[in-house]
Amino acid sequence: SQQGEEDPQALSIQEGENATMNCSYKTSINNLQWYRQNSGRGLVHLILIRSNEREKHSGRLRVTLDTSKKSSSLLITASRAADTASYFCATDLYGNNRLAFGKGNQVVVIP
Amino acid sequence: DAGVIQSPRHEVTEMGQEVTLRCKPISGHDYLFWYRQTMMRGLELLIYFNNNVPIDDSGMPEDRFSAKMPNASFSTLKIQPSEPRDSAVYFCASSLVGGHYEQYFGPGTRLTVT
Repeated sequence: SQQGEEDPQALSIQEGENATMNCSYKTSINNLQWYRQNSGRGLVHLILIRSNEREKHSGRLRVTLDTSKKSSSLLITASRAADTASYFCATDLYGNNRLAFGKGNQVVVIP
Repeated sequence: DAGVIQSPRHEVTEMGQEVTLRCKPISGHDYLFWYRQTMMRGLELLIYFNNNVPIDDSGMPEDRFSAKMPNASFSTLKIQPSEPRDSAVYFCASSLVGGHYEQYFGPGTRLTVT
């Protein structure tokens, strides 16, 4: 079954604003990851949060994980035009060696 | 390291023709994944290998699709015969530790079947 399903949003924001996107999943996980995909390119790993972590930071990125609600959020602070991309969450099926990706959130940052 | 390398980057072919997509994973990575991305279905895992052995091919759509990994540095995904509904972007990814950790994606092959 499909895991890692983002709220189906297309987000358009001004440069300097924050962007938040959400992801929900259905079953137990080892970890949850966020990836970015620029137009016409492959996915790039951004951050991984383990099931026993609640929050993680990496530069301007902040990820939260709520295992009781089976949801995660990705916050990009002080957005830049270069942050324009699609963002995917991905979950591993517990005990499995594969990731299930959501359909992605498109974010457009207007300079 | 050059990252995951895929070829060709673009492929246009006619229905019924054989298509072969190629991938070179990052050196030392033991896991290799083939994905397909379309607007309608998103990113789907087709098959993955561990140490050159196919582990899970449950995502391969049908017998027209086959994948091989003859050695640690090369994999192919073949479609024979191709159909218009196979049009998509095909990604190869590799991982050092396992599929549930960070995966490194290639640039993809955009396949158009007319």
